[in-house]
Amino acid sequence: DTEVTQTPKHLVMGMTNKKSLKCEQHMGHRAMYWYKQKAKKPPELMFVYSYEKLSINESVPSRFSPECPNSSLLNLHLHALQPEDSALYLCASSQERVAGGSGETQYFGPGTRLLVL
Amino acid sequence: AQKVTQAQTEISVVEKEDVTLDCVYETRDTTYYLFWYKQPPSGELVFLIRRNSFDEQNEISGRYSWNFQKSTSSFNFTITASQVVDSAVYFCALSGNNQGGKLIFGQGTELSVKP
Repeated sequence: DTEVTQTPKHLVMGMTNKKSLKCEQHMGHRAMYWYKQKAKKPPELMFVYSYEKLSINESVPSRFSPECPNSSLLNLHLHALQPEDSALYLCASSQERVAGGSGETQYFGPGTRLLVL
Repeated sequence: AQKVTQAQTEISVVEKEDVTLDCVYETRDTTYYLFWYKQPPSGELVFLIRRNSFDEQNEISGRYSWNFQKSTSSFNFTITASQVVDSAVYFCALSGNNQGGKLIFGQGTELSVKP
């Protein structure tokens, strides 16, 4: 079953709020990803976790803080966001991310639509 | 540098027409993988196909078919007898063996199938 779940589906927050996005997969995948997608644009990679360790941070501002409590869960903690951070946040997972390798299919969740006021 | 170009920003067809979505890629990696994803209005990216650089066989899955040509660095996607449910944004993506598993996406093609 290729399923990645994300909660919440929608989130509205003020610039001073702290909130968290959650992602879960039960496919036994060992790599998990966060992407940000603005309207009419392709997804942009934010973070990659491989075997529960952060392996890629695409120079994301510190107001976004990822966490991987275990191999099935991925969180994205949000604090002091700006209106321009409003976007669709997508989580994905793949079987593994081989160092220097490629080709693993990434399976995406339905996303969280975030609006920052 | 790695790059994926989807020159068609928007395509509009009438139901039952065939439609081809173009994808051209650039890479210096010797081993690489190409993908197509579908993103309906609900937002989820749905995986459609993965093809590695050593396998140039065309693939057919129901009404969907893919034409991979290394000579022209293209990986085009054809929908035969389109249906309204095919309306979505379609992304072509590339992952090279020196990119640590990163997906390089094209800008996407928004397909609208009208009844």
